[in-house]
Amino acid sequence: QKEVEQDPGPLSVPEGAIVSLNCTYSNSAFQYFMWYRQYSRKGPELLMYTYSSGNKEDGRFTAQVDKSSKYISLFIRDSQPSDSATYLCAMNDNAGNNRKLIWGLGTSLAVNP
Amino acid sequence: EPEVTQTPSHQVTQMGQEVILRCVPISNHLYFYWYRQILGQKVEFLVSFYNNEISEKSEIFDDQFSVERPDGSNFTLKIRSTKLEDSAMYFCASRDPGTGTNIQYFGAGTRLSVL
Repeated sequence: QKEVEQDPGPLSVPEGAIVSLNCTYSNSAFQYFMWYRQYSRKGPELLMYTYSSGNKEDGRFTAQVDKSSKYISLFIRDSQPSDSATYLCAMNDNAGNNRKLIWGLGTSLAVNP
Repeated sequence: EPEVTQTPSHQVTQMGQEVILRCVPISNHLYFYWYRQILGQKVEFLVSFYNNEISEKSEIFDDQFSVERPDGSNFTLKIRSTKLEDSAMYFCASRDPGTGTNIQYFGAGTRLSVL
């Protein structure tokens, strides 16, 4: 089983829609969960960071972690055309100091005006 | 706002040539990373660097790869003899362990094209 799975999409929604993006993972040791946004041919930009289980909200973005199901989500409310990008989930565990990130494939999102 | 900078943005090279990709991490960060992303594939960890030595490397990071921190600001990735399959986006990242988080900040990347 792959460590992190993410549906690549593409996902196309009208402006103002609520977007739900998800990842599943297999390694129960993962404790740190991140969502990055990546525009075409650019570097990943951190959107949300969550430790362990629970919800975290920042403006129009909400990140959820359900460790019992090994499932994480990112919700975008009132989506805007500027949200069109690829959204990558990334995660790591607490072992050692290196904290290399394990990535999903990324979901391509298009928000249509 | 501090940021990770990478140069060049695009590097074109012939197969078998050596390339050096450069990164300037955020100044107070202590952990440095290289990742790569082949077109259409996942971002993959290559190597992490701390206290002037490699702290972890992946299976991808074989003898043709090396990293160096030649001075107090730059962090470089050298590929000794490039292959066609080395064509990818290469991302540098840095982390401040003092924050208690695992947040890594990424540069804009270098697109390496091996012909």
